Amino acid sequence: KAGVTQTPRYLIKTRGQQVTLSCSPISGHRSVSWYQQTPGQGLQFLFEYFSETQRNKGNFPGRFSGRQFSNSRSEMNVSTLELGDSALYLCASSGLAGGAEDTQYFGPGTRLTVL
Amino acid sequence: AQSVTQPDIHITVSEGASLELRCNYSYGATPYLFWYVQSPGQGLQLLLKYFSGDTLVQGIKGFEAEFKRSQSSFNLRKPSVHWSDAAEYFCAVGPLYTPLVFGKGTRLSVIA
Repeated sequence: KAGVTQTPRYLIKTRGQQVTLSCSPISGHRSVSWYQQTPGQGLQFLFEYFSETQRNKGNFPGRFSGRQFSNSRSEMNVSTLELGDSALYLCASSGLAGGAEDTQYFGPGTRLTVL
Repeated sequence: AQSVTQPDIHITVSEGASLELRCNYSYGATPYLFWYVQSPGQGLQLLLKYFSGDTLVQGIKGFEAEFKRSQSSFNLRKPSVHWSDAAEYFCAVGPLYTPLVFGKGTRLSVIA
């Protein structure tokens, strides 16, 4: 079974631009979560989608948004990029119910650099 | 609010030596506890998880962890470290549903 895939793997943008990251979950998984990883703040939860609905949201500004499609693929968008948005963005998928018993499996991440 | 503390930022051990990585959590209810490992440039790989039952949990790659409710700890152990174990290790706690709350991580270096 294929794992979680994220595209692109690397991205360089300039301040003020916007960016869209994509995540394809493990086949059959309906929950997709996004995390931001930085050296200073560590791993921080952005949001979770389950069956095309945002079920949880972390403490990030409205510039960060996401969506999930009917095939469970998810995208996150960051508008008006700031230098501090440079990070590794990780996507994780989990199984049918989306509960903690359905372990989160992580993709390799998208490394975003904002210049 | 739930939180996870990994007191050791960086640990260096010799190949073949035993390893223990510490994790303390703060959570109001029964925690769901996880250990993940991250190699450079990679995502997170699940090593093991604890939901209930036996407090000693076996994971992949020869790792185990012990849940101690009285100490709010979930320490990760390995009897004999291999050079390939060098990576960053994250402890995480979660409710029934996401999100996971992660510790800051412990970087493990392995020397010959």
